[in-house]
Amino acid sequence: GAGVSQSPSNKVTEKGKDVELRCDPISGHTALYWYRQRLGQGLEFLIYFQGNSAPDKSGLPSDRFSAERTGESVSTLTIQRTQQEDSAVYLCASSSRTSGSYEQYFGPGTRLTVT
Amino acid sequence: AQSVTQLGSHVSVSEGALVLLRCNYSSSVPPYLFWYVQYPNQGLQLLLKYTSAATLVKGINGFEAEFKKSETSFHLTKPSAHMSDAAEYFCAVSDFTGGGNKLTFGTGTQLKVEL
Repeated sequence: GAGVSQSPSNKVTEKGKDVELRCDPISGHTALYWYRQRLGQGLEFLIYFQGNSAPDKSGLPSDRFSAERTGESVSTLTIQRTQQEDSAVYLCASSSRTSGSYEQYFGPGTRLTVT
Repeated sequence: AQSVTQLGSHVSVSEGALVLLRCNYSSSVPPYLFWYVQYPNQGLQLLLKYTSAATLVKGINGFEAEFKKSETSFHLTKPSAHMSDAAEYFCAVSDFTGGGNKLTFGTGTQLKVEL
């Protein structure tokens, strides 16, 4: 079946511009996560959505970062006024709470380069 | 708070040799632990997971890991390395605060397999 998809796969933007990254989770997965992977580092949690509950935004690094999700479908991560330190791979993952162990399935990521 | 330490950012083994990738965790609650593999320009793929059942966990591609509470370790092993095992490996621990399964990742270990 279809996995988690993300678009675009690569994005180059100028410092100060806004960017939107998209994630399509696996159909039926109620939970959706965004992570950031900076060069040479592990993944950092950014934000978590579960159904229609209020999202857990505890990992967002600044108020320039925001994310939306409508129901249990697509999510968009928006970075306003991008800075060079925002350059990273942004990974999306989804999971089904019925799995019991909350196993997460990751998309291929969006590589963001801020010049 | 949960944390993960992966000793050795780079590990090199000969083809056919034992693979041992180290992971130590810190968790205030009984942990769920995961190993993920990332091939170049791809998303993360789950290798195996520990969810408080058997302490020796077998995963895909011949990998296994043993949960040792007394050592707070979850090292990944494979008896005989194959060239196709060359990739980056991430250990992660669950953080269920906020209701979701936010993963806290280690900084990764790049595995190189030589002829």
